[in-house]
Amino acid sequence: NAGVTQTPKFQVLKTGQSMTLQCAQDMNHNSMYWYRQDPGMGLRLIYYSASEGTTDKGEVPNGYNVSRLNKREFSLRLESAAPSQTSVYFCASSERWGYTFGSGTRLTVV
Amino acid sequence: GQQVMQIPQYQHVQEGEDFTTYCNSSTTLSNIQWYKQRPGGHPVFLIQLVKSGEVKKQKRLTFQFGEAKKNSSLHITATQTTDVGTYFCAGGNAGGTSYGKLTFGQGTILTVHP
Repeated sequence: NAGVTQTPKFQVLKTGQSMTLQCAQDMNHNSMYWYRQDPGMGLRLIYYSASEGTTDKGEVPNGYNVSRLNKREFSLRLESAAPSQTSVYFCASSERWGYTFGSGTRLTVV
Repeated sequence: GQQVMQIPQYQHVQEGEDFTTYCNSSTTLSNIQWYKQRPGGHPVFLIQLVKSGEVKKQKRLTFQFGEAKKNSSLHITATQTTDVGTYFCAGGNAGGTSYGKLTFGQGTILTVHP
């Protein structure tokens, strides 16, 4: 039972490049989330999907887009990466309570 | 919007000492959850509290939810080096339409000196 799988684990982008962070869960959870973690800022919600077919903005959505491809998969896209998007990105899923997090993607934008 | 504040930001203790982190919300919460993140790792769910005044224990860890459901605390008795990490509280918004969405505190980084 893999839980929540994120790819890639590490990525270096140049300013202006685009990329998609992939997330998949095998727990049949309805809700999925994307957070970013920066030192001293805790975990800030970027986008979430309460159920398949729905997505909503979180606290810091600017510069990101998401796709809930199916119940298992929730991807996060950076269309034009900026240095301010250097961060650790976590995907999570939940059913009623208790998030299960993926291992994270460490993204550096130079 | 909902804000969840957590203090202290850092805590350094000697092994065997107790540790407490506090969490305060600007709004009434439907539930409070606690997570632990080891250095270089990802957050791992510890517990959820739902009822006003609720107290739960997990071995040396004691979790409390305030009577007004706006604050919470995590207390660790007799810390061990395995307790090292960042402890996050996360609150669910009472009355909100976003079921399951949590707002995380900034976290408390705990270091334990042997």
